[in-house]
Amino acid sequence: DTAVSQTPKYLVTQMGNDKSIKCEQNLGHDTMYWYKQDSKKFLKIMFSYNNKELIINETVPNRFSPKSPDKAHLNLHINSLELGDSAVYFCASSQLGITNEKLFFGSGTQLSVL
Amino acid sequence: RKEVEQDPGPFNVPEGATVAFNCTYSNSASQSFFWYRQDCRKEPKLLMSVYSSGNEDGRFTAQLNRASQYISLLIRDSKLSDSATYLCVVNNGGNQFYFGTGTSLTVIP
Repeated sequence: DTAVSQTPKYLVTQMGNDKSIKCEQNLGHDTMYWYKQDSKKFLKIMFSYNNKELIINETVPNRFSPKSPDKAHLNLHINSLELGDSAVYFCASSQLGITNEKLFFGSGTQLSVL
Repeated sequence: RKEVEQDPGPFNVPEGATVAFNCTYSNSASQSFFWYRQDCRKEPKLLMSVYSSGNEDGRFTAQLNRASQYISLLIRDSKLSDSATYLCVVNNGGNQFYFGTGTSLTVIP
């Protein structure tokens, strides 16, 4: 069973469209994240949710809106897509409150905006 | 100043070589440290945690120097399958994970 799964794996779309990426984890973790990895391969945190509550909201355009219906799901909706949004988006989860907690990643969604 | 800094490389080494990567972090209160491995077009996967006393997992050895705020990863007897990007990751407590830019390793036959 995949621990952190995200869909779709590939997303090709036109500028100006609205799209969503879904993420689910079956690890029982309390915390979920969205990371963006750009063409320079740098992984940057976008959002973090703990038990459905927004904890981290880095400087991200408000066209990006995360939604956490329950602690096992964290979806990312993007409005009015721009060329610069093209990147790989990784969902991740971790369990707060334990020693040496680790991040577990989904397999990534490669978004290409044309 | 970045939270975590790594030499991006690339490191190109022959099979069987020993290679070492270093990483520095800026927050002296950082609590947990990790090395992740990322293959091309794949997600980062945990390679090993880094403990204060240093730790070893087969051909891989990780060290932590809190006084100098750096972490190292040593790979002995490099294999072709070790070719990947190695990411240094620091946790400042709670859900604050910070990534280095990664160090690219290519092991050459």
